[in-house]
Amino acid sequence: DAGVIQSPRHEVTEMGQEVTLRCKPISGHNSLFWYRQTMMRGLELLIYFNNNVPIDDSGMPEDRFSAKMPNASFSTLKIQPSEPRDSAVYFCASSPRTGGMGWDRGTEAFFGQGTRLTVV
Amino acid sequence: QQQVKQSPQSLIVQKGGISIINCAYENTAFDYFPWYQQFPGKGPALLIAIRPDVSEKKEGRFTISFNKSAKQFSLHIMDSQPGDSATYFCAASMTGGGADGLTFGKGTHLIIQP
Repeated sequence: DAGVIQSPRHEVTEMGQEVTLRCKPISGHNSLFWYRQTMMRGLELLIYFNNNVPIDDSGMPEDRFSAKMPNASFSTLKIQPSEPRDSAVYFCASSPRTGGMGWDRGTEAFFGQGTRLTVV
Repeated sequence: QQQVKQSPQSLIVQKGGISIINCAYENTAFDYFPWYQQFPGKGPALLIAIRPDVSEKKEGRFTISFNKSAKQFSLHIMDSQPGDSATYFCAASMTGGGADGLTFGKGTHLIIQP
């Protein structure tokens, strides 16, 4: 398996534009996570899906952010309109872990390589 | 509210030395404590993890020490090598409930000098 695939790897956009980040999880994984990484705040969990259903979106910073998982092999994170403070590296991660199952090395979260977003 | 506090922010260790990174948590419901390693341009990858029913876990040169009463855990890298230079994140999570994603510390940038 190629691992978690994110696209694009880099995105530069102007303030006010819509940005869509894409993620293809590892086949067979039940859980999908979106994280945001900045120097100031580190890795923050934005939203967590289990079996394509959003379980916890309490980390989504505001209504400008939305995430969807229309099927088991694809998820998007959309920012509309984008702002300079949204500049960060956005990671998608997937896990074979089902909600309520304990974490372990076999159910660890596998991260993609990230999308570096710059809003100017 | 930061639920997992990590220190130091950066660390420089000589080759062959011991690297020690510390983390403290607040939520006593956490029951899984992994450490992730991240190289530049890559996503974090699981390095080693521990559950609170044991006080220590060792995998090769990497050891987690866990103190449940103090709500602290640490990563020890023995015989540190230049290839260990990376950013290390501690994390915590709990089983069950709705919000069971990993909560990460802010990371430690480790440099091993040859």
